[in-house]
Amino acid sequence: DAKTTQPTSMDCAEGRAANLPCNHSTISGNEYVYWYRQIHSQGPQYIIHGLKNNETNEMASLIITEDRKSSTLILPHATLRDTAVYYCIVRPFQTGANNLFFGTGTRLTVIP
Amino acid sequence: KAGVTQTPRYLIKTRGQQVTLSCSPISGHRSVSWYQQTPGQGLQFLFEYFSETQRNKGNFPGRFSGRQFSNSRSEMNVSTLELGDSALYLCASSQDTQETQYFGPGTRLLVL
Repeated sequence: DAKTTQPTSMDCAEGRAANLPCNHSTISGNEYVYWYRQIHSQGPQYIIHGLKNNETNEMASLIITEDRKSSTLILPHATLRDTAVYYCIVRPFQTGANNLFFGTGTRLTVIP
Repeated sequence: KAGVTQTPRYLIKTRGQQVTLSCSPISGHRSVSWYQQTPGQGLQFLFEYFSETQRNKGNFPGRFSGRQFSNSRSEMNVSTLELGDSALYLCASSQDTQETQYFGPGTRLLVL
């Protein structure tokens, strides 16, 4: 079962930062936060993941609160191609647990 | 490296038939997971294979089966197709069970 709560939809102006929140208040100590996105029925695309420290890569930044009960994915300069459904997933780090539970995600629309 | 590839990309079958879908993981990846995506149920985990062994299985009927070959390529089979099996079937690969999963483009199956 999905252990995360995300807003159903969000809009963002092109060129502005998109901040996508995720609540995971029941997260355990050995669980990572993963973000994927899916563009119009293509396969989900991996974006970033983290355990407790903030992470940044060429696509986005992930900010995890100190109590690890919530996180925010930041797309620094959103483009029209960032319009997609964004999934926040909590995943245990353990052998035999390679199944990802996708919730309903946040539909991000980037507006010109 | 080439990404995860899935064949065929589109498929039309009729009720009662069976279907086999194929997935080639990223080179060096030994874990392959399968997911089903429908508008009503979202993305759901089917099963995972690692080193030719099924390690994890979702809550799907026995009509859904899979296997993995020594080169890590995987196939999934659905027998006695039902209308409700119409879906996007996604394959994801990772180096090992705990590692990040990368998804293929999916196979869209339509059952008439």
